[in-house]
Amino acid sequence: KNEVEQSPQNLTAQEGEFITINCSYSVGISALHWLQQHPGGGIVSLFMLSSGKKKHGRLIATINIQEKHSSLHITASHPRDSAVYICGGETSGSRLTFGEGTQLTVNP
Amino acid sequence: DGGITQSPKYLFRKEGQNVTLSCEQNLNHDAMYWYRQDPGQGLRLIYYSQIVNDFQKGDIAEGYSVSREKKESFPLTVTSAQKNPTAFYLCATLGGTEAFFGQGTRLTVV
Repeated sequence: KNEVEQSPQNLTAQEGEFITINCSYSVGISALHWLQQHPGGGIVSLFMLSSGKKKHGRLIATINIQEKHSSLHITASHPRDSAVYICGGETSGSRLTFGEGTQLTVNP
Repeated sequence: DGGITQSPKYLFRKEGQNVTLSCEQNLNHDAMYWYRQDPGQGLRLIYYSQIVNDFQKGDIAEGYSVSREKKESFPLTVTSAQKNPTAFYLCATLGGTEAFFGQGTRLTVV
């Protein structure tokens, strides 16, 4: 079983919809990461958080330490948001592992 | 500009040959990582290093080897013992507030 689990695996939305991607982890972590992977394979970091909530533009990430759960929200989704979204947990000794990713497709 | 450089972008090798993938960073980060990604799959941790001259196995280390002789460099060798080496390989570092990834190397073994 992966230390980090994501849901859903695939998500299709219409432009303008509010999107939520969920991430659960089974071990204690010091920080949680959200990444975006573009179709060409390039990966960019979206958020790193250890508590509470962070916001960047239309993206919001939250984490509940007690429930070992994080969510990534996208408001007013746009076709350019189509990508794979990956969450990962940083554990002791800087070990950093990731979930399987969520393939998001936003249709115009 | 600060960043991570992986080379080459595409690499072809014959079965049975060892091949070394390069990863260089000028971000002055201590922690470096190697991941493997297969089509439609997530990032699987091969090896990671917190500091020079030290590294730990990840979840799929068999058939791979690494070295960390310099802070800037963390090369990955795919050995002939790796049963299915064709994949997309990504190198990453961990800074204070985010993870940084290289552009990846697509290795094809024929």
